[in-house]
Amino acid sequence: EAEVAQSPRYKITEKSQAVAFWCDPISGHATLYWYRQILGQGPELLVQFQDESVVDDSQLPKDRFSAERLKGVDSTLKIQPAELGDSAMYLCASGRRAGRTDTQYFGPGTRLTVL
Amino acid sequence: AQKITQTQPGMFVQEKEAVTLDCTYDTSDPSYGLFWYKQPSSGEMIFLIYQGSYDQQNATEGRYSLNFQKARKSANLVISASQLGDSAMYFCAMREVGSGNTGKLIFGQGTTLQVKP
Repeated sequence: EAEVAQSPRYKITEKSQAVAFWCDPISGHATLYWYRQILGQGPELLVQFQDESVVDDSQLPKDRFSAERLKGVDSTLKIQPAELGDSAMYLCASGRRAGRTDTQYFGPGTRLTVL
Repeated sequence: AQKITQTQPGMFVQEKEAVTLDCTYDTSDPSYGLFWYKQPSSGEMIFLIYQGSYDQQNATEGRYSLNFQKARKSANLVISASQLGDSAMYFCAMREVGSGNTGKLIFGQGTTLQVKP
């Protein structure tokens, strides 16, 4: 069964350093999502791609976060510089399309700790 | 205003018994989808079940069923014959697909379920 791949699974960094997360969606999935999940809360969308185009990045802190999906396949989320409040789980999800019935399938996540 | 409300922070259930996890939602969009995900301690979000706003029948997937009451705007998850492996965090989520919506998932705060042997 196809899965969403993410790496690394865990990342520990010091504040002011740069970090990057990678996501490889299920093959053929046009939509890709990055969510941030703070401990004890539900995930919140950071950025949504349709193929290589950004559809929604309204909640992405653009002064320090950037995301790209250059060829419409895998994606990278970067934080520079990292802050203590960025400690969270970063989840990537993919779906066939952005319709009502489309199911998003999630990867295992990257757990970030900023010291 | 919170769009997805899960009022039960934590629940206990005896193994082999059924349990209902509550979820209410708020939307003015007539076209929407409701999802339930399971998140074990490992962190991965596992899709369980989907209900569309136009679906006439309640969704079922194995031991999972969704009690969809559109007029009350509720979409409760029912797990029958609970197993120890069902112990996890459960999230209700909604996707609006009307004009101006990108189709992102909006999640509730989650309910922690613990199954007792």
